[in-house]
Amino acid sequence: KAGVTQTPRYLIKTRGQQVTLSCSPISGHRSVSWYQQTPGQGLQFLFEYFSETQRNKGNFPGRFSGRQFSNSRSEMNVSTLELGDSALYLCASSLAGSGTYEQYFGPGTRLTVT
Amino acid sequence: GNSVTQMEGPVTLSEEAFLTINCTYTATGYPSLFWYVQYPGEGLQLLLKATKADDKGSNKGFEATYRKETTSFHLEKGSVQVSDSAVYFCALSDRPSSASKIIFGSGTRLSIRP
Repeated sequence: KAGVTQTPRYLIKTRGQQVTLSCSPISGHRSVSWYQQTPGQGLQFLFEYFSETQRNKGNFPGRFSGRQFSNSRSEMNVSTLELGDSALYLCASSLAGSGTYEQYFGPGTRLTVT
Repeated sequence: GNSVTQMEGPVTLSEEAFLTINCTYTATGYPSLFWYVQYPGEGLQLLLKATKADDKGSNKGFEATYRKETTSFHLEKGSVQVSDSAVYFCALSDRPSSASKIIFGSGTRLSIRP
């Protein structure tokens, strides 16, 4: 079974631009969560989507948004990029709701904002 | 709120040494507990999990026991290898009915000398 895939793997953007990251979950997984990883803040939860609906949200500004499609693929968008948005963005999928609790992570998208 | 505290790194050991990485948590209710591992340049991989008190998770020679009385989930391995060099994250899921949000510790970097 293929794992979680994220595209692109690396991205360089300029301050003020916007960016869209993509995540394809493991086949059959309906929940997709996004995390931001930085050296200073560690791993922080951004949001979770389940059946095309945002079900849970972390403490990030409205510049961070996401969506999920009917095939469970998810995208994350960051508008008006700031230097502090430079991070590794990780996507994780899970069966969710079936009694299993673990999440399976993709390799991440490394975003650099200059 | 819920939180995870794990020992500061980096931890440097010689090959075949015994490993312990301490992890304690604060949570209401009965969270599920996890250890994730992150190898250089990669996303997180689930190493092991425990879903209720006194459960022992194990994988690849690593073990951790869910201790509700001490709110701990320490990671141990009897004989480490160079290939175990990575960053280890202790984590909890505080929503037993879904896997929507995982709270991570700050991570412990482990380096094994040949």
